[in-house]
Amino acid sequence: EDQVTQSPEALRLQEGESSSLNCSYTVSGLRGLFWYRQDPGKGPEFLFTLYSAGEEKEKERLKATLTKKESFLHITAPKPEDSATYLCAVPPDSSNTGKLIFGQGTTLQVKP
Amino acid sequence: NAGVTQTPKFQVLKTGQSMTLQCAQDMNHNSMYWYRQDPGMGLRLIYYSASEGTTDKGEVPNGYNVSRLNKREFSLRLESAAPSQTSVYFCASSGGTSNTEAFFGQGTRLTVV
Repeated sequence: EDQVTQSPEALRLQEGESSSLNCSYTVSGLRGLFWYRQDPGKGPEFLFTLYSAGEEKEKERLKATLTKKESFLHITAPKPEDSATYLCAVPPDSSNTGKLIFGQGTTLQVKP
Repeated sequence: NAGVTQTPKFQVLKTGQSMTLQCAQDMNHNSMYWYRQDPGMGLRLIYYSASEGTTDKGEVPNGYNVSRLNKREFSLRLESAAPSQTSVYFCASSGGTSNTEAFFGQGTRLTVV
């Protein structure tokens, strides 16, 4: 069964304290792994897509990496405005419809 | 640039009442989706429409119906609301292939009492 698991569920960091969020997945033939950011009361906002093991993408203080079984979202020197829930998702099956299976998310709080 | 627009933003229903959640996108996307988000459960797909004129069930379709009115609009209907349908509902759209990102609306917070 296709599955996406994120850890930890919650993470509290001091401003400037770097860390990583994990997303492990089980799908038959990965066709993309998506990272989203979700602010309270808002819809998810797209961050990155990774397609193959070894690929990396960066945006400001965020860097996403991908292996054959998991993806990491590295946060370098975070600021309070990075506080949000981070979601990862994968297409679940061979049908090319754009459907996604989401993990439960990691809620990040960065304290000044 | 509106993107994906959902209405209403908030709604309280009594058990057994019906309602329709509206969604419209202005990105000329082929595919549209309805997800629900519950604490600890992540986002789960209710129904999707891969293209205008087609709809298919997702992971949790029971108690819901959908209509793809045209390329822009995709509505979700609760015929007889139940407390278990209390959730936050998100509409999304995408180009429709597995390697294209989805864009989400702001959500509808629905409470069924």
